[in-house]
Amino acid sequence: DQQVKQNSPSLSVQEGRISILNCDYTNSMFDYFLWYKKYPAEGPTFLISISSIKDKNEDGRFTVFLNKSAKHLSLHIVPSQPGDSAVYFCAASANGNAGGTSYGKLTFGQGTILTVHP
Amino acid sequence: KAGVTQTPRYLIKTRGQQVTLSCSPISGHRSVSWYQQTPGQGLQFLFEYFSETQRNKGNFPGRFSGRQFSNSRSEMNVSTLELGDSALYLCASSLLGEQYFGPGTRLTVT
Repeated sequence: DQQVKQNSPSLSVQEGRISILNCDYTNSMFDYFLWYKKYPAEGPTFLISISSIKDKNEDGRFTVFLNKSAKHLSLHIVPSQPGDSAVYFCAASANGNAGGTSYGKLTFGQGTILTVHP
Repeated sequence: KAGVTQTPRYLIKTRGQQVTLSCSPISGHRSVSWYQQTPGQGLQFLFEYFSETQRNKGNFPGRFSGRQFSNSRSEMNVSTLELGDSALYLCASSLLGEQYFGPGTRLTVT
C-alpha cells in the first residue's frame, strides 16, 4: 500500500517557466510534508517543508501548497533553471498533530524526474 | 556546520557475510534515521534512534539492526547478506521535523 504517490514519473520544462510537481497521500495521520531533491548516488537534499496547519509555504523560488481535504500537495519552482534538473521526492511524516506519531520515519513517494531545458 | 557523514561510501561484500555501516549526524542532532534505496522499492525506512534508543522500526527482517552511541553516532548492521540487500543505504539526522541526509553507502552484494 503506497501511502505517498507521485503519479508523474517525469516532467520536462523550459528554462524560465514554472515547474509544478504533484504528490498525493492517503494516510490521514500525516501532518508534516517535505520535498527533497536528489542526484544519482547522492543523498536527498532538503528543499522545503509544510505543516498541516498551513496551506502554503514559500522559500525563494520554491513554494509548497497543501490541500488537506484533497490529500494533495504540490511544489512550484519559479523560474525553473537547468540546475534544477534532478529527481524530486515528496515525503510525509506523522508528528502527532493528527493523532499519530512515527518517530523519525519519513514515507517517500517514488519520485519525479524533472528536466529543465535551456 | 558539517553535514551528515557516512562511511564507507562504497562496499562490496559476498552473500552470507555481514556488514556494518557508520553514520555521524550533524552536531546537536540527536535523532538518526536509516533508509534503504533500491530501484524497485524506492526509499524505505529502516529504523530511527534517539538518545541511544530505537524509537521506530520499518518492515525489514531481523538481519537488519542498528545502534546509537552516546555521541549520537549510529551504526547499522546487516547479517547474512543476500543479493537483494544491494542498495544505497542512507542515514539522516534531525533536530525537529526536517531530516538531513548523508551521501549514502553504496553496498553491492555478489
